Amino acid sequence: DGGITQSPKYLFRKEGQNVTLSCEQNLNHDAMYWYRQDPGQGLRLIYYSQIVNDFQKGDIAEGYSVSREKKESFPLTVTSAQKNPTAFYLCASSIGIGSNEQFFGPGTRLTVL
Amino acid sequence: RKEVEQDPGPFNVPEGATVAFNCTYSNSASQSFFWYRQDCRKEPKLLMSVYSSGNEDGRFTAQLNRASQYISLLIRDSKLSDSATYLCVVNRGTGGFKTIFGAGTRLFVKA
Repeated sequence: DGGITQSPKYLFRKEGQNVTLSCEQNLNHDAMYWYRQDPGQGLRLIYYSQIVNDFQKGDIAEGYSVSREKKESFPLTVTSAQKNPTAFYLCASSIGIGSNEQFFGPGTRLTVL
Repeated sequence: RKEVEQDPGPFNVPEGATVAFNCTYSNSASQSFFWYRQDCRKEPKLLMSVYSSGNEDGRFTAQLNRASQYISLLIRDSKLSDSATYLCVVNRGTGGFKTIFGAGTRLFVKA
């Protein structure tokens, strides 16, 4: 089955710790994205990548970092510099950037204690 | 003003009702439009793309009005399983990539 996987599903972190969220896709998609969703709000773009070894900041990149060393993988690190990291994090991919449908992973719910 | 705006609802309707959602967008350079469905605590999933000519998929009809910059979603003969949040999504394909998600409209269909 082709799709996107994210792990872990739930993550708890102490303040001051960095944490990395995993995102893997086997859809052979070039583009991948990270979003954050807070209650009652739309998805906000953190980072996106059009192709391997390339990525761009989205609207709320501060306190986050990413890498795209492989086509299939786009991990997101939430650093201690992110002031309000508790949220639902969604990874998505699409064939290419722009007009294409985005397919989402099941999400990681991060809680900072 | 948000670039994509939706009525947050919630819309509470009985089974069998017809319900319509509207979404307005402010950037006239927007090129493609979608409706996604998101169940509680789950990921969004594509419901349908929205074409200039309008499109229908079973009980669902989506329409685009470029002149007035809004898109709509009509659900006929509502089912209990239609209860979800419906997200309006707008892609600005030129001037740099940009996908904007609306905050969503919550729908509750009751027996």
